[in-house]
Amino acid sequence: GAGVSQSPSNKVTEKGKDVELRCDPISGHTALYWYRQRLGQGLEFLIYFQGNSAPDKSGLPSDRFSAERTGESVSTLTIQRTQQEDSAVYLCASSLVRLAGVAGELFFGEGSRLTVL
Amino acid sequence: SQKIEQNSEALNIQEGKTATLTCNYTNYSPAYLQWYRQDPGRGPVFLLLIRENEKEKRKERLKVTFDTTLKQSLFHITASQPADSATYLCALSHQTGANNLFFGTGTRLTVIP
Repeated sequence: GAGVSQSPSNKVTEKGKDVELRCDPISGHTALYWYRQRLGQGLEFLIYFQGNSAPDKSGLPSDRFSAERTGESVSTLTIQRTQQEDSAVYLCASSLVRLAGVAGELFFGEGSRLTVL
Repeated sequence: SQKIEQNSEALNIQEGKTATLTCNYTNYSPAYLQWYRQDPGRGPVFLLLIRENEKEKRKERLKVTFDTTLKQSLFHITASQPADSATYLCALSHQTGANNLFFGTGTRLTVIP
């Protein structure tokens, strides 16, 4: 597609339910990132995928959070047993890795706003 | 611990003046640094990338400097306009060779007409 697409754009769920957020990166982009942004705060790194390499999961806040990516296509971020503190905008970004060790610019989606009641 | 700090949460300046935003980092050795703009309710948009061996980068009214000794980047907007009002984020990698990016908390800039 022309840009990074995320769905759903808004999700309201009850505490304890599982949610799945989807990200369609720009075609050909080998790198994919998930970030969390709480209201009025900066971007918190969650996970990074690069091609077929093992993902960098160092930012996932707990084992309730997991993410998958098939090849260089769609990624899903799953939050199990949601808590109120999970309420935030979840942003996905993709990029080309043009040179070893230098990421290209990140192209962000518009985010998925999650509200846990 | 690793930190990326951006000066003052909010910055107000008069239209036409130069806005200067600061990004300081500790316990990172980035090979490059990026700046993004974020409007309310939108995802960040890339503005500029500067590598560790570059002292300065310009794009239209934007200028970025990168001082690896001071561990600081400055972001300047000259001849500022109300349309420049947004949150500006700096981002850098953890270390040379790493591609994942970590973001600062951002500075909300308001340009007053």
